[in-house]
Amino acid sequence: GNSVTQMEGPVTLSEEAFLTINCTYTATGYPSLFWYVQYPGEGLQLLLKATKADDKGSNKGFEATYRKETTSFHLEKGSVQVSDSAVYFCALLIYGGATNKLIFGTGTLLAVQP
Amino acid sequence: EAQVTQNPRYLITVTGKKLTVTCSQNMNHEYMSWYRQDPGLGLRQIYYSMNVEVTDKGDVPEGYKVSRKEKRNFPLILESPSPNQTSLYFCASSLGQGAKILGTDTQYFGPGTRLTVL
Repeated sequence: GNSVTQMEGPVTLSEEAFLTINCTYTATGYPSLFWYVQYPGEGLQLLLKATKADDKGSNKGFEATYRKETTSFHLEKGSVQVSDSAVYFCALLIYGGATNKLIFGTGTLLAVQP
Repeated sequence: EAQVTQNPRYLITVTGKKLTVTCSQNMNHEYMSWYRQDPGLGLRQIYYSMNVEVTDKGDVPEGYKVSRKEKRNFPLILESPSPNQTSLYFCASSLGQGAKILGTDTQYFGPGTRLTVL
């Protein structure tokens, strides 16, 4: 079936460290891939997306590349800040029949320390 | 401002007392959906609606009802809440079928409703 697997958290980093949060997926067809971010006490916000293989999504210094050969969409940032502390969700969007179904990973908590 | 709104944001209730969580979007989106978020499980879809008067079950529909009488509103109804429905609930909307062809159907989420059923 269709699924998303994210690395377990929490991920704890010092400010200015390099961030990688791994995400792999299983899907039939050609899904679109997303990273959503949830700041404390808030709803989910779209961080970035990629709609086809080799696309790179980027926003706020975060990047992720849609790798069809490894079925991955890892999130990276070169230098994290305390304000990046949040829960990050990888998700894929399946188009099929009557529904556009968004399937989420379990989320990865990132804590950045000063 | 384009947004999805939910009310209430926080609710504590007792087992069996019917409640409704409202969701409204101002983006003229066709597609709306409800999710629940639980620790270690991520977000799971409860119900979705492709358009007015068209609704269908998601992955965890038991104990919930929805309606879509107008395009902008998609309320979630718990007829007889139970403690296992204690959760964080999110409403989301997206363009729907119109964006399907483009493969860019981004979902926009409301701020969430934290429900506690005692």
